Amino acid sequence: QVQLQESGPGLVKPSETLSLICTVSGGSISSYYWSWIRQPPGKGLEWIGYIYYSGSTNYNPSLKSRVTISVDTSKNQFSLKLRSVTAADTAVYYCARGPYGGYYPGWGQGTQVTVSS
Amino acid sequence: EIVLTQSPGTLSLSPGERATLSCRASQSVSSSYLAWYQQKPGQAPRLLIYGASSRATGIPDRFSGSGSGTDFTLTISRLEPEDFAVYYCQQYGSSGITFGPGTKVDIK
Repeated sequence: QVQLQESGPGLVKPSETLSLICTVSGGSISSYYWSWIRQPPGKGLEWIGYIYYSGSTNYNPSLKSRVTISVDTSKNQFSLKLRSVTAADTAVYYCARGPYGGYYPGWGQGTQVTVSS
Repeated sequence: EIVLTQSPGTLSLSPGERATLSCRASQSVSSSYLAWYQQKPGQAPRLLIYGASSRATGIPDRFSGSGSGTDFTLTISRLEPEDFAVYYCQQYGSSGITFGPGTKVDIK
């Protein structure tokens, strides 16, 4: 059973870069697609983007100019960088396996990131 | 971008009742790429239905999905206490992935 765990700072200053890592255990990252999804407080889910283990990516057009997702197969990890953050980027950030057949069968527990000075 | 609209926003029902949740897309979605998730407070979403009508592993058969094109439905045949939660639909297409705003099913 593949498990995912997000890690990274819980507090980021405005205009700085949010950086998160997702560690995959119980299986190899060298298959499937891997995604980042976020949820602002009290709101719904927003897809950020996904990466294939080979490195090809697809990003949400609304965030594309600020997002980079990368993969490190040697560490079984993938990561998210979101540049020039504002308070609107405050959210719980989830990493997930997929899209697998177009859906997400496995999610991390999520990590809260607050943007504040 | 395909926009998903869910209705109602909130559904107030009693245990044992039937819940019918709607998800409407701004343009046609392949049935293969429509999924439903359940989310409880403080938890990550859990996959319920994929391919519009296939139950995910371990999901009770009181959950069923149907629909095609732009109109999809999640039905919970008899609500159990643990079913009170927020439900999201999600689509996957050439322009990316979008989620609906969610339907909250709460106890009447």
